[in-house]
Amino acid sequence: QSVLTQPPSVSGAPGQRVTISCTGSRSNIGSDYDVHWYQQLPGTAPTVLIYGNNNRPSGVPDRFSGSKSGASASLAITGLQAEDEAEYYCQSYDSSLRSYVFGSGTQVTVL
Amino acid sequence: QVQLQESGPGLVKPSGTLSLTCAVSGASITSTNWWSWVRQPPGKGLEWIGEIYHSGSTNYNPSLKSRVAISVDKSKNQFSLKLTSVTAADTAIYYCARYRVVVDAARVDYYGLDVWGQGTTVTVSS
Repeated sequence: QSVLTQPPSVSGAPGQRVTISCTGSRSNIGSDYDVHWYQQLPGTAPTVLIYGNNNRPSGVPDRFSGSKSGASASLAITGLQAEDEAEYYCQSYDSSLRSYVFGSGTQVTVL
Repeated sequence: QVQLQESGPGLVKPSGTLSLTCAVSGASITSTNWWSWVRQPPGKGLEWIGEIYHSGSTNYNPSLKSRVAISVDKSKNQFSLKLTSVTAADTAIYYCARYRVVVDAARVDYYGLDVWGQGTTVTVSS
């Protein structure tokens, strides 16, 4: 069972907005540790999508945005496109475990 | 362009030791970054294994800590993973990755795992 909880799946039609939640606790996100988001396309290694809660690496479209509030974080995808079909993972640090942790992962389906 | 490449046996016998190496090119392993291992069992999510700094400092996932060791070879610009007493539950794709840290005067910025290897599949089976 993951320390960071994500919904197993979200879906939306092309052009729509979807959000993925990442719920943690006081020992991780709630302790102000950074949240990073990764996208994993089928059969490939993950790539960083959002770092430091709300920053996009160069090359990542501005359709992707991150936010954090309290012990939770969210990834929003606006203007959903077919190529956004992938698995998405959040990551943070947990002070109780003294370890980085990943979320359980969310499969995004474009209808 | 920074690249990471995993190498090692694709098949390990139960109770044996899994050994992988990650070769780093395009960047010095003695930079301010941490070098990490992540794995992904078939059809499952990502699991952070641990990380190492070029000084030799390490951090490990507590669930694996008793069986894992990560080391660095600065002369070869590479780092390695050893996982002992493996079972079928250790069957996974193993990725090496760079956790980028930028230090600028009094400010430290964390960029997450910004470069990943392609991954190598390790199967534990007799």
